[in-house]
Amino acid sequence: TQLLEQSPQFLSIQEGENLTVYCNSSSVFSSLQWYRQEPGEGPVLLVTVVTGGEVKKLKRLTFQFGDARKDSSLHITAAQPGDTGLYLCAGAESGSQGNLIFGKGTKLSVKP
Amino acid sequence: GAGVSQTPSNKVTEKGKYVELRCDPISGHTALYWYRQSLGQGPEFLIYFQGTGAADDSGLPNDRFFAVRPEGSVSTLKIQRTERGDSAVYLCASSLQGTYNSPLHFGNGTRLTVT
Repeated sequence: TQLLEQSPQFLSIQEGENLTVYCNSSSVFSSLQWYRQEPGEGPVLLVTVVTGGEVKKLKRLTFQFGDARKDSSLHITAAQPGDTGLYLCAGAESGSQGNLIFGKGTKLSVKP
Repeated sequence: GAGVSQTPSNKVTEKGKYVELRCDPISGHTALYWYRQSLGQGPEFLIYFQGTGAADDSGLPNDRFFAVRPEGSVSTLKIQRTERGDSAVYLCASSLQGTYNSPLHFGNGTRLTVT
């Protein structure tokens, strides 16, 4: 079973700061998705990256898929308290039919 | 439109009892997934349906766990002889096509507590 390692596990920052969350694996994924989860709710999809080297931007969030499709990063610019939550990366194995492997997540807290 | 609906939202049961957890996927989504999320962990894959059939049940931990989707829509996850270690949030998700780049739409989960 492929594993996805996320770091850091916890992150507490002040409003306005920038941050980067990492998602790493020794194996290749067909695609990688980033989700955000709030307490008591299911994960909500933020982005899907498919092509090695791909960069996608969603307002203040920038997602990158590594050239070898083994790792990904999420960068948040000028974090806001509303960004607080659990950020999960999830990879689809080659030939999979959509069943994803999730990392343990990064719990982000942005203080005003 | 309506999202993925899971019932009940919370379930407390005694060790050894049988429980059923229900998932109503988004209308028209052919793929349905069950995941289990323990405290401080990411979701762990249990089983995947494409239509009525279980396309991949490799994540079910043992034979006490079983899931059905008889009409290709609603799914029920069944757990026999529950154990305290089964306590977790059980998440259901659906997707339109069930391909590697098809996004999953999650419900809010059923929090199962086995006492």
